[in-house]
Amino acid sequence: LAKTTQPISMDSYEGQEVNITCSHNNIATNDYITWYQQFPSQGPRFIIQGYKTKVTNEVASLFIPADRKSSTLSLPRVSLSDTAVYYCLVALRASGGSYIPTFGRGTSLIVHP
Amino acid sequence: EPEVTQTPSHQVTQMGQEVILRCVPISNHLYFYWYRQILGQKVEFLVSFYNNEISEKSEIFDDQFSVERPDGSNFTLKIRSTKLEDSAMYFCASRAQVNYEQYFGPGTRLTVT
Repeated sequence: LAKTTQPISMDSYEGQEVNITCSHNNIATNDYITWYQQFPSQGPRFIIQGYKTKVTNEVASLFIPADRKSSTLSLPRVSLSDTAVYYCLVALRASGGSYIPTFGRGTSLIVHP
Repeated sequence: EPEVTQTPSHQVTQMGQEVILRCVPISNHLYFYWYRQILGQKVEFLVSFYNNEISEKSEIFDDQFSVERPDGSNFTLKIRSTKLEDSAMYFCASRAQVNYEQYFGPGTRLTVT
């Protein structure tokens, strides 16, 4: 069964760059890879989305290799307020054969002063 | 900025009762989703809805669940006979087009006693 894999947790310090990688085998060929941030008791919040190569916006960069079996979220110069859980979201093949949106298990990022 | 809204924020119900969770997606969006998140776990896809019909559903979305878009603004999730294991946060999401990002609501915390 297709699944996604992310590190469970990461620690960093203010001002450092953080890279979080998500592995996703059997990803749908025509779907985008999306990353979300979630704070406790809130809904996921969109960070960035891409299809392949590199995408950059005002808060993050996303690196996607040619085979699209993984993606790396890069957060430049993190601050304390970036402490949250980060999820990748991709369309993966389910047991019935269709592709459904599938979140990774999330990476809990703790940023220390 | 437009946002997805959900009501109620917290619902407590007894096992075996029916509950309806309500969502108002962003007005010009065409694709609608329900997810759930059991405490401490990842976000899980339940169902997607487009053009007034279910487009995909997960194994979790069994005969006890149904969705409806009764008018031009609301999108509802009904659980016919709640079980203890239905206790979770339920998130509604919407997006404008395929391959655009999904916008999530703040969630409804469902507690089944």
